[in-house]
Amino acid sequence: GESVGLHLPTLSVQEGDNSIINCAYSNSASDYFIWYKQESGKGPQFIIDIRSNMDKRQGQRVTVLLNKTVKHLSLQIAATQPGDSAVYFCAEDIGGFKTIFGAGTRLFVKA
Amino acid sequence: DTGVSQDPRHKITKRGQNVTFRCDPISEHNRLYWYRQTLGQGPEFLTYFQNEAQLEKSRLLSDRFSAERPKGSFSTLEIQRTEQGDSAMYLCASSSGILAFFGQGTRLTVV
Repeated sequence: GESVGLHLPTLSVQEGDNSIINCAYSNSASDYFIWYKQESGKGPQFIIDIRSNMDKRQGQRVTVLLNKTVKHLSLQIAATQPGDSAVYFCAEDIGGFKTIFGAGTRLFVKA
Repeated sequence: DTGVSQDPRHKITKRGQNVTFRCDPISEHNRLYWYRQTLGQGPEFLTYFQNEAQLEKSRLLSDRFSAERPKGSFSTLEIQRTEQGDSAMYLCASSSGILAFFGQGTRLTVV
C-alpha cells in the first residue's frame, strides 16, 4: 500500500545551524505534500506544503524541496531555534482528501 | 479560539468500558477526519466525513469503533469494549479543501 517514510528518526542540531529533514514517499500519483510539526502533547501543526508541479517552495525560515524523480521530499529549517524542537512529519494526499503520514523525525536543538 | 477542539484531552478507562470522544471542527469546514496516533508513530487515518456523510473507513476501524457526524458539524468517536491496544492519541482534523487542520487530540489510556 501507499506509505510515506523518513530516513532519519532523530536529528540533533546546534542552535543557529540549518536543519534538513528528509522523507521518501512511495505513491507516485500523489500530487500534494505537507510538512507538519508536532510538539509534545499537541496535535500536528501545518508548516508548509507543496504541489507536485513545483520543485521548491519557501516560507518563513522553512523551505520544502520536492524531487519527483526519486520520490523524495525534504524540509529545510534555516537558523534553527530551540522552539523548533519537535517531531516533524511529512504527509501526502493520496486522493480523496485523505492525508497519509510517515513515522516522523524528532528534531533536537542544542543551545 | 477558532481551531479544531477536542474533548476530553485525556481519558483513562478500564478495559471493557465504552468511551466517547467529541470533536468540534473549524466552522464551515465540511470535511472532518479522525486519526489515531501511537507513541513514536505518525497519525493513522481512521475515517472521514464530508458534511454528515461518512465516506471512508480504514480497516483499522474495527467493529468496536463507530463515528458519527449527525448534523455535519461536530463529530463523536465511540469505542466499545475498550482493549489495552486502543491506548493512543485520537486526533481530529477538519478541512475545507485539501489541507487538514488538527486538534490537540484526546489521549486514551486503557488500564
